[in-house]
Amino acid sequence: DAMVIQNPRYQVTQFGKPVTLSCSQTLNHNVMYWYQQKSSQAPKLLFHYYDKDFNNEADTPDNFQSRRPNTSFCFLDIRSPGLGDAAMYLCATSRRGFGYTFGSGTRLTVV
Amino acid sequence: GQQLNQSPQSMFIQEGEDVSMNCTSSSIFNTWLWYKQDPGEGPVLLIALYKAGELTSNGRLTAQFGITRKDSFLNISASIPSDVGIYFCAGQIGGSQGNLIFGKGTKLSVKP
Repeated sequence: DAMVIQNPRYQVTQFGKPVTLSCSQTLNHNVMYWYQQKSSQAPKLLFHYYDKDFNNEADTPDNFQSRRPNTSFCFLDIRSPGLGDAAMYLCATSRRGFGYTFGSGTRLTVV
Repeated sequence: GQQLNQSPQSMFIQEGEDVSMNCTSSSIFNTWLWYKQDPGEGPVLLIALYKAGELTSNGRLTAQFGITRKDSFLNISASIPSDVGIYFCAGQIGGSQGNLIFGKGTKLSVKP
């Protein structure tokens, strides 16, 4: 089945230690998104790639970066995680804004 | 910026009851999406609506795209325990980017 896969499902990192979350897709969608979701809140868009073009949301901290080496993969890098960055991180894809599909998420814990 | 007002925030119902939740906005959307999210999982698409006035069903779920394009509702008939979860509406302005604007969610609890 075509899908969006996120690895790992659970990630524990130390305060200030860089961490990378990964997302892959077999849908051949041209747009890939990263969302942050804190407990009992709606997902919040951090940034997205439209093809190779990177689009950052205005309120996304500089601590968050992203890479998309090819159509299928996208990475979320958190350069210096703080306690406030503990959250569920969701990857999603779409084909030019249609067929929005989410992965199962990575739960990040910062200790 | 665009905001979606989703209500109710939470619901406690008896198994077998019908459920209704809605989203409203001061902005016009081209697409309305309804998602269900189970604990520790990503949102799963339930119903997508693309035209004003559209009424779409998916099993026991029915959703409508408001005629003004500023609102949508989701109904669940004859609820069962596995309906428990958080339901999110999401509006999409459309265009080539098509970023989603999410409501704050409705947490549904079903008593057997």
